[in-house]
Amino acid sequence: ETGVTQSPTHLIKTRGQQVTLRCSSQSGHNTVSWYQQALGQGPQFIFQYYREEENGRGNFPPRFSGLQFPNYSSELNVNALELDDSALYLCASSLAPRTATYEQYFGPGTRLTVT
Amino acid sequence: DQQVKQNSPSLSVQEGRISILNCDYTNSMFDYFLWYKKYPAEGPTFLISISSIKDKNEDGRFTVFLNKSAKHLSLHIVPSQPGDSAVYFCAASGGNAGNMLTFGGGTRLMVKP
Repeated sequence: ETGVTQSPTHLIKTRGQQVTLRCSSQSGHNTVSWYQQALGQGPQFIFQYYREEENGRGNFPPRFSGLQFPNYSSELNVNALELDDSALYLCASSLAPRTATYEQYFGPGTRLTVT
Repeated sequence: DQQVKQNSPSLSVQEGRISILNCDYTNSMFDYFLWYKKYPAEGPTFLISISSIKDKNEDGRFTVFLNKSAKHLSLHIVPSQPGDSAVYFCAASGGNAGNMLTFGGGTRLMVKP
């Protein structure tokens, strides 16, 4: 059983640029959630995708957008990068949008640095 | 407005002793609570969870206690092992939080041999 994978591992971008992060969900999981973890803080929910549609969103501006593909993999896109977007971006997959135990399986994350 | 708080950024414990990690929440609509463990360069991994209808859940060396009236939960690790050294996150979900997990800021546990 393949776990959640993310790419790239880390990258550096300049303020104002755009970035795309990728995630492959765990086998059999149809729901993907994205989280932002700033240094020294806990992960913050960005949004969730289920059946290729956004299925819930946290307190993030519209320049954070996503996609989910028929194979349940997902992308997180961030436009007009700001310095505060520097963080670890975590992808998590689950069997369904809401399971009995709310358990999600996380990838290792992508470390984004904006200069 | 932090709905889930872990007030101790770090905790140091001797191997073999008990580790107690604490978490407080403010949203009374949360109905499920989870603990995740995170090692450097890895994603958080699920450790143990508890439903709001219970006050205790045990899994091997790990026990989570929930005090709903105080809006407080704790994770007990007995006995603590050096391999338990990691950052521990408390998370909550349910109610008006919808499908998302709301995390605390984490507690770094160091277990000394």
